[in-house]
Amino acid sequence: AQKVTQAQTEISVVEKEDVTLDCVYETRDTTYYLFWYKQPPSGELVFLIRRNSFDEQNEISGRYSWNFQKSTSSFNFTITASQVVDSAVYFCALSGVNDYKLSFGAGTTVTVRA
Amino acid sequence: DGGITQSPKYLFRKEGQNVTLSCEQNLNHDAMYWYRQDPGQGLRLIYYSQIVNDFQKGDIAEGYSVSREKKESFPLTVTSAQKNPTAFYLCASSIGSGATYEQYFGPGTRLTVT
Repeated sequence: AQKVTQAQTEISVVEKEDVTLDCVYETRDTTYYLFWYKQPPSGELVFLIRRNSFDEQNEISGRYSWNFQKSTSSFNFTITASQVVDSAVYFCALSGVNDYKLSFGAGTTVTVRA
Repeated sequence: DGGITQSPKYLFRKEGQNVTLSCEQNLNHDAMYWYRQDPGQGLRLIYYSQIVNDFQKGDIAEGYSVSREKKESFPLTVTSAQKNPTAFYLCASSIGSGATYEQYFGPGTRLTVT
């Protein structure tokens, strides 16, 4: 069974601060995929990144960066120099290579104050 | 514009009534999914469909039914047998089935049953 834990329920920061969201997962699969999605107040989930289990390189996309560490089963997400528009709920998700579904964590609500 | 349409955005029903939530996509995707989101929880899979005229139960299918008569449409019926139907419902689609394909999400329907 797949399980994703996002221990941080809510994070509040002031604009321009960095914020790191933790994601820890459990799986018995040797090949799997990890995802991050953003859910703004409008409700629609926006895809941010997909990473397969064989690629442990960290990734940076603009102000977003991801740190994948297989040894600790973690896939953490950092927003650098946060902005008010980053306020949203962020979900980490996991899927085995033969799965048809995403197993989601409970989400972390990020509030960026001006 | 290509995308996923869910209507209506808000839906209100009396207890004991069946209600059907609409999901339409013009992305030419084969696979479609229904997720349920409750406050403070991640998304949970209700049903998914890999191709037309085929669908499979997800983790929480009891009290729900679906059909997939057309590639672009995957309506979800919330029946009176669903004990706690009030929730936010999200429809998603992907080019193919499985974790290698990114799932695109619609804007969601918030259902309130009183």
